[in-house]
Parts: sequence; structure tokens; C-alpha cells
Amino acid sequence: KAGVTQTPRYLIKTRGQQVTLSCSPISGHRSVSWYQQTPGQGLQFLFEYFSETQRNKGNFPGRFSGRQFSNSRSEMNVSTLELGDSALYLCASRLTGDQETQYFGPGTRLLVL
Amino acid sequence: GNSVTQMEGPVTLSEEAFLTINCTYTATGYPSLFWYVQYPGEGLQLLLKATKADDKGSNKGFEATYRKETTSFHLEKGSVQVSDSAVYFCALVMDTGRRALTFGSGTRLQVQP
Repeated sequence: KAGVTQTPRYLIKTRGQQVTLSCSPISGHRSVSWYQQTPGQGLQFLFEYFSETQRNKGNFPGRFSGRQFSNSRSEMNVSTLELGDSALYLCASRLTGDQETQYFGPGTRLLVL
Repeated sequence: GNSVTQMEGPVTLSEEAFLTINCTYTATGYPSLFWYVQYPGEGLQLLLKATKADDKGSNKGFEATYRKETTSFHLEKGSVQVSDSAVYFCALVMDTGRRALTFGSGTRLQVQP
């Protein structure tokens, strides 16, 4: 079974632009979560989607948003990019929202100049 | 809130040495505990997990035991290899509420031949 896939793997943007990242979960998994990884803050939870609905949200500004499609694929969007948004963005999927174990993709590395 | 504390790295060992990476947690309730590993340039891979007190998770020679009395989940391996060089993250997820992973800051392991 294929793992979690994320596209693109690398991205360079400039301040003020917006960006959309994509995540395809493991087949059959309905829950998708997003995490941000930075050297300073470590791994932080952004949000989780289940059955096309946002179930949970971390402490990030409204510039960070996401959505989930009927096939469970998810996208996250960051508007008005700031230098501090440079990070590795990781997507994780699990079978349902109640399963403990989350499986991670390789991440999208975003550099904001 | 919930939190995870890991020993600071880097941990530098010679091949075939014994490894311990300490992890303690603070949580209100009954978390499931995880160790994830991140190799350079990659996402997170689940290494092992334990879902209740006294459970022992194991995989690829790594072990960790869920100790409720000491709120700990230390990672151990009897004989490390160069290929074990990576960053190791301890994490928890609660069985109720948001169910997002809370991560420790990560411990970098360097194994020298």
C-alpha cells in the first residue's frame, strides 16, 4: 500500500505571496493532519481534517487554512507569507479520527525569501 | 497542557554501543506514547508505540516501556548501527479531545563506525 505523498517536495516563495501544499493520504485513511516543523519551535500541530470537515485546529493565525476533498486528499494554504513561515510542512494520515497512530509523508520544505 | 520532554542531543555513540534516549511526559489523562524517527531530508517514520501503562513497544531492535509511575517512555537499543543515525522524537496523543500529536524537541543520534 502506498504511503502518504506530499507535493511539491520543495518550494521557494517570496514574502506576501500565497502557497498551496497538497497531501494524499494512505488509501482508506480518512483523517489528515498537518504539522509545521521549524528549528526554533519544533513540531507543531496545524489542523486536522476528517470527512471533509476540520475537526481540530492548532494555535496558528488565520493565514493558515486547509481543506479536504471527498477522496480524502487535503490541501493547506498559507496566505501573505512571512519569513517565519519557512519550515517543513508535514502531513499525516490515519484510518479514522480516533485511531492513535498517524503515518507521515516526506514533507514539503517551504522557503520564504 | 500536555508536554513531552526529551534529553538534549546530540548523542554520539560508537557502533555497537548501548543507546538510551530519555523521554518524560506531562498529561492530564491517559496518553498513547510514540517514538518517531526522522532521517536527514525525510519525514517522520513511526518507530514504535505503546497505548497503555506497562506496555512495551518494540521494532528493529528498539524498545520502550510505558511507565505511568514515572511518566516516562525511554527509548533503548542494545547495539546501535551507523544506519541508526537520525533524529528521534518522542510524542504523545490523548485518548480524548483534540487527539493531535504533542512532540518533544527531538534528540539527534550520531553513531560513529
